[in-house]
Amino acid sequence: AQSVSQHNHHVILSEAASLELGCNYSYGGTVNLFWYVQYPGQHLQLLLKYFSGDPLVKGIKGFEAEFIKSKFSFNLRKPSVQWSDTAEYFCAVNPFTGNTPLVFGKGTRLSVIA
Amino acid sequence: DTGVSQDPRHKITKRGQNVTFRCDPISEHNRLYWYRQTLGQGPEFLTYFQNEAQLEKSRLLSDRFSAERPKGSFSTLEIQRTEQGDSAMYLCASSLRGGTETQYFGPGTRLLVL
Repeated sequence: AQSVSQHNHHVILSEAASLELGCNYSYGGTVNLFWYVQYPGQHLQLLLKYFSGDPLVKGIKGFEAEFIKSKFSFNLRKPSVQWSDTAEYFCAVNPFTGNTPLVFGKGTRLSVIA
Repeated sequence: DTGVSQDPRHKITKRGQNVTFRCDPISEHNRLYWYRQTLGQGPEFLTYFQNEAQLEKSRLLSDRFSAERPKGSFSTLEIQRTEQGDSAMYLCASSLRGGTETQYFGPGTRLLVL
């Protein structure tokens, strides 16, 4: 069965610090990869996704993620976080055949302090 | 694009009662998913539909749970004889088969079973 691991449960950063959130998945085939974000009191929103092509994908609000196939990883990065980035971040995967249910990690809570 | 909507947003019920939740997907989306999220966890898949056909059910979906999508548009999720362990956020998502297959999530229904 597929699984997704997010290594950090809670990350606390100061504004302007750089961010990297780890995500590893276990699945032998080709996958689609996603990062979703949930701001306080809001619903899950898509941050970025990787289906194929350039393994470095850019998303909204200055976020990017790099797919490293050999490491089964899809880490999320942002060079300089803002207070408004405080949220919970979820990595998710589904097989490349598509439209099958997403398998989510447990999430990483990011707190950005001024 | 009005997004995915769910009703009600909150539900408090007593153990043993039945509850029903509704999800209205994005209008042209033919795939609809139900997930459940408990505190400290990522969303977990329950079931999904393509049009009116229920294509897959998770082992998490006990006999007390039933879902329908009678006309291929909105969907309902019913929980019979609720238990305290059913307390969770119930999320609905929709996607377009054959498109980018990104799943878009609704705001969720938070269920508390007393």
